[in-house]
Amino acid sequence: SQQGEEDPQALSIQEGENATMNCSYKTSINNLQWYRQNSGRGLVHLILIRSNEREKHSGRLRVTLDTSKKSSSLLITASRAADTASYFCATHSGGSYIPTFGRGTSLIVHP
Amino acid sequence: EAQVTQNPRYLITVTGKKLTVTCSQNMNHEYMSWYRQDPGLGLRQIYYSMNVEVTDKGDVPEGYKVSRKEKRNFPLILESPSPNQTSLYFCASRATGVGEAFFGQGTRLTVV
Repeated sequence: SQQGEEDPQALSIQEGENATMNCSYKTSINNLQWYRQNSGRGLVHLILIRSNEREKHSGRLRVTLDTSKKSSSLLITASRAADTASYFCATHSGGSYIPTFGRGTSLIVHP
Repeated sequence: EAQVTQNPRYLITVTGKKLTVTCSQNMNHEYMSWYRQDPGLGLRQIYYSMNVEVTDKGDVPEGYKVSRKEKRNFPLILESPSPNQTSLYFCASRATGVGEAFFGQGTRLTVV
């Protein structure tokens, strides 16, 4: 079953603006990961945040995790047209060895 | 180069004709998994494997089979494909412990 649900489903912004995507999940997790998918291609791992972490940075990416609200957010700062892609959150929980994905947020960055 | 390789990338077939989509990883990962991706439904797990000869059903296993005879390979078998199995399929692998999953480039399957 799908654990994470991303919001919004679609996001359209101008180059240079920040993009924020949210992910909500249902059960306790060990960690949460964000992936990126260019149209029709395989997913690429962006960043992982563990359940005992609250915030993590990687380049222009900032991820937060609020386990009390069972939610995470991905912020892409100073977006570029090349950031246009779908973004998925994935969770690991309990004995699940392979991540469970949400439906994704489709981000379009206009030049 | 670390990678997950799927073949074929594109396949058009007819209803009922058995087919196999291969998946191979060169990272010695224990865990491998198959997903299908459909518009509006995201990625749904079909089957996964925790090691050689250990496989288990995911969320949508009906109509699919898998095998894990070697650590590097995890083929997806459709014994009698039907049009509702038209989809984009991804294979993924991951090492033991907390880590990222590596994905293949996908196989776009059309069953007519």
